[in-house]
Amino acid sequence: AQKITQTQPGMFVQEKEAVTLDCTYDTSDQSYGLFWYKQPSSGEMIFLIYQGSYDEQNATEGRYSLNFQKARKSANLVISASQLGDSAMYFCAMREAFNDYKLSFGAGTTVTVRA
Amino acid sequence: DTEVTQTPKHLVMGMTNKKSLKCEQHMGHRAMYWYKQKAKKPPELMFVYSYEKLSINESVPSRFSPECPNSSLLNLHLHALQPEDSALYLCASSQRAGTGVSTEAFFGQGTRLTVV
Repeated sequence: AQKITQTQPGMFVQEKEAVTLDCTYDTSDQSYGLFWYKQPSSGEMIFLIYQGSYDEQNATEGRYSLNFQKARKSANLVISASQLGDSAMYFCAMREAFNDYKLSFGAGTTVTVRA
Repeated sequence: DTEVTQTPKHLVMGMTNKKSLKCEQHMGHRAMYWYKQKAKKPPELMFVYSYEKLSINESVPSRFSPECPNSSLLNLHLHALQPEDSALYLCASSQRAGTGVSTEAFFGQGTRLTVV
């Protein structure tokens, strides 16, 4: 069964605008961690932001923020003030105890920022 | 230094060749990982090393053979590969494996492997 679902295969966003990338997850574990990674065409997976299941505040890191809705099991990434360098593939991932703490990835969303 | 370095960046090999991929980190991390990623797909876990011992093998064919000579190095030895093994091979490291949901993984830039 799919543990992480990213329903948007690709998105276009205008430079300087905000974009929201959707991520829903499935777990019966009480303790889990949610991660977002960025992968430019160069291939490197770059860690962006982390949200723990017990964290009451939404995580923020610079222009990245995470809209965490635990009851809905969603962890959407918001990128504010998009830049051309934000064009990349974005992966949502989850780590849970039930799964040996392995990192499970969603299918990814390709973001293209237009000038 | 939050870098994971992988060499080579690109590799083309024949189906009868033997080659090795290398990965190095100097962050003091005790867990290291190999992932395989096909184009436009998410990474798939292959192996996990924890404290230099193989802790997880995701039923990877024996033509892929991992090795962890020390806490900073991780190798992936390749032999008799098939064209469908062509992919981006990513190495990652984290402070620990098997404990804690908040453990962030740091990834290298990957090796783009083409099997001809």
